[in-house]
Amino acid sequence: GDSVTQMEGPVTLSEEAFLTINCTYTATGYPSLFWYVQYPGEGLQLLLKATKADDKGSNKGFEATYRKETTSFHLEKGSVQVSDSAVYFCAALQGAQKLVFGQGTRLTINP
Amino acid sequence: EPEVTQTPSHQVTQMGQEVILRCVPISNHLYFYWYRQILGQKVEFLVSFYNNEISEKSEIFDDQFSVERPDGSNFTLKIRSTKLEDSAMYFCASTPRGVTDTQYFGPGTRLTVL
Repeated sequence: GDSVTQMEGPVTLSEEAFLTINCTYTATGYPSLFWYVQYPGEGLQLLLKATKADDKGSNKGFEATYRKETTSFHLEKGSVQVSDSAVYFCAALQGAQKLVFGQGTRLTINP
Repeated sequence: EPEVTQTPSHQVTQMGQEVILRCVPISNHLYFYWYRQILGQKVEFLVSFYNNEISEKSEIFDDQFSVERPDGSNFTLKIRSTKLEDSAMYFCASTPRGVTDTQYFGPGTRLTVL
């Protein structure tokens, strides 16, 4: 079946640093891809998505580009803030309804 | 902005007991899901539900699990006889009409089986 692999965490950065969280997937076909974020004590919130190759999803300064050639969907942000501290999940849509998640990456931003 | 809500936020139960986890999906959403996350592990798909029936389920979703939409607003997950390994965070999600690839998640219910 499909699978999603994220870079191991935790990741700790200083405020205003550049962020990359790697995500690769294995799938038959080209699934829609997602990044979800989970802030402390809250549920999963959709951060951004891309539905086909070369699409770029963006939201709140975060970006990710659907790379068919490398089967990747890396999350990036140019200048992180303390408020970005959270757990980030990469996910792929298998079939029409089933999200397959990566293991999550805990991000901590220090002031 | 409308949200998926879940109750309770934390449920503690004894092994062998039945539990019902409740979700109120976003109004007018058509597809409903349950996922779970055992501590330290990935979020895993359990089941999807559409038009009052299960449309897909995972290997985890065995005979001990059932789902129901008893009225126009609630969506429930029942575990008939809980096991220690059922301890996890359970997330409900829903999908709107016309945007079927995007799932909106609730805050989760933490289930602890003693």
